[in-house]
Amino acid sequence: KQEVTQIPAALSVPEGENLVLNCSFTDSAIYNLQWFRQDPGKGLTSLLLIQSSQREQTSGRLNASLDKSSGRSTLYIAASQPGDSATYLCAVLDSSYKLIFGSGTRLLVRP
Amino acid sequence: DVKVTQSSRYLVKRTGEKVFLECVQDMDHENMFWYRQDPGLGLRLIYFSYDVKMKEKGDIPEGYSVSREKKERFSLILESASTNQTSMYLCASTLNPLGLYTFGSGTRLTVV
Repeated sequence: KQEVTQIPAALSVPEGENLVLNCSFTDSAIYNLQWFRQDPGKGLTSLLLIQSSQREQTSGRLNASLDKSSGRSTLYIAASQPGDSATYLCAVLDSSYKLIFGSGTRLLVRP
Repeated sequence: DVKVTQSSRYLVKRTGEKVFLECVQDMDHENMFWYRQDPGLGLRLIYFSYDVKMKEKGDIPEGYSVSREKKERFSLILESASTNQTSMYLCASTLNPLGLYTFGSGTRLTVV
């Protein structure tokens, strides 16, 4: 059974710092991996999607990498801003086309 | 942009009531999903549908049913609400299961 783990559960950094969020999954048989952002009490916003054949994807200050063989992904946020404060969720699309989520990393960027 | 609209942001219902959670998407997506989100448990799939009239159980379907009479609308039904169904409910849709998912803003349901 696919399990997705995100470490750390919470992170607090000063504004301007570069940071890395980690995601690991137990079964490498995935179609893709997605990163989402969730603001308190709101739905999820899709940030990046990496297909299983890809190594990384970039969008603005965000860069996501995927190492399928080791079951790991990282989300790199450059020059963090207070507006980046949110919960970040990663999810893998497993072999039965189900999206399996991690529990998220709650990020606080302090001004 | 694709929009997924959940009709209620907050709902309070009594134990034993029949509850309907509505979700509508405006971009002709075939695939729609219902998740619930609980602290420490993350998002868990309740039901999904890859086509009108088609529905499949997810990982935690007990106590729930769904209806998909039209492509744009996917309803989640709590047949007899219980306190352990107090949760945040999220609807999502996608054109292609291999592509990007679009989520609604969520419905926070409290059963008292």
